[in-house]
Amino acid sequence: AQSVTQPDIHITVSEGASLELRCNYSYGATPYLFWYVQSPGQGLQLLLKYFSGDTLVQGIKGFEAEFKRSQSSFNLRKPSVHWSDAAEYFCAVGARSGYSTLTFGKGTMLLVSP
Amino acid sequence: DSGVTQTPKHLITATGQRVTLRCSPRSGDLSVYWYQQSLDQGLQFLIQYYNGEERAKGNILERFSAQQFPDLHSELNLSSLELGDSALYFCASSAGPLAGGHTDTQYFGPGTRLTVL
Repeated sequence: AQSVTQPDIHITVSEGASLELRCNYSYGATPYLFWYVQSPGQGLQLLLKYFSGDTLVQGIKGFEAEFKRSQSSFNLRKPSVHWSDAAEYFCAVGARSGYSTLTFGKGTMLLVSP
Repeated sequence: DSGVTQTPKHLITATGQRVTLRCSPRSGDLSVYWYQQSLDQGLQFLIQYYNGEERAKGNILERFSAQQFPDLHSELNLSSLELGDSALYFCASSAGPLAGGHTDTQYFGPGTRLTVL
């Protein structure tokens, strides 16, 4: 069965500093990988996804993520964090099938300090 | 705005009651997924429908059921409610397998917050 680990429950970053959120997955083959963001009281918004090809994926709002097969990781990065980035971030893995369901990590809450 | 709509936004009810949550997928999407988000369990996949047929089942309780109608909207029915069913329930939709694997990205609605008292 597939699984996702987000080892950091909370992260605090100063505004303007760089950010890296960690995600490790367990899956028997190359999975589909996703990062979603959830602002307070909101639904989940897709930031970016990896299906195949270039292992460095660009997303919305200046985020990027790198798929590293050898480390079973898909870490999310942003070079300069803005106060509006404060939210909860979820990494998810999906199976490579037509009826792909998603398995989510527990999430990382990002706090941005002034 | 993802294009997925869910009603109601909030629902407060009592233990033992039954409620129905409604979801309309994005235009053109054939697959609908239901998830439950709670503080202790995180985001859990419940069930998936594709073009009216059940396709995948996750950690869905027997007291819960769902269906997808010919117009592709979906309803999640929760019965004999318990305090522990209080959670945020999300619906997501995707194009479905016939549109190609790369389009099987799930887009989430704003959720229905259920409070059981």
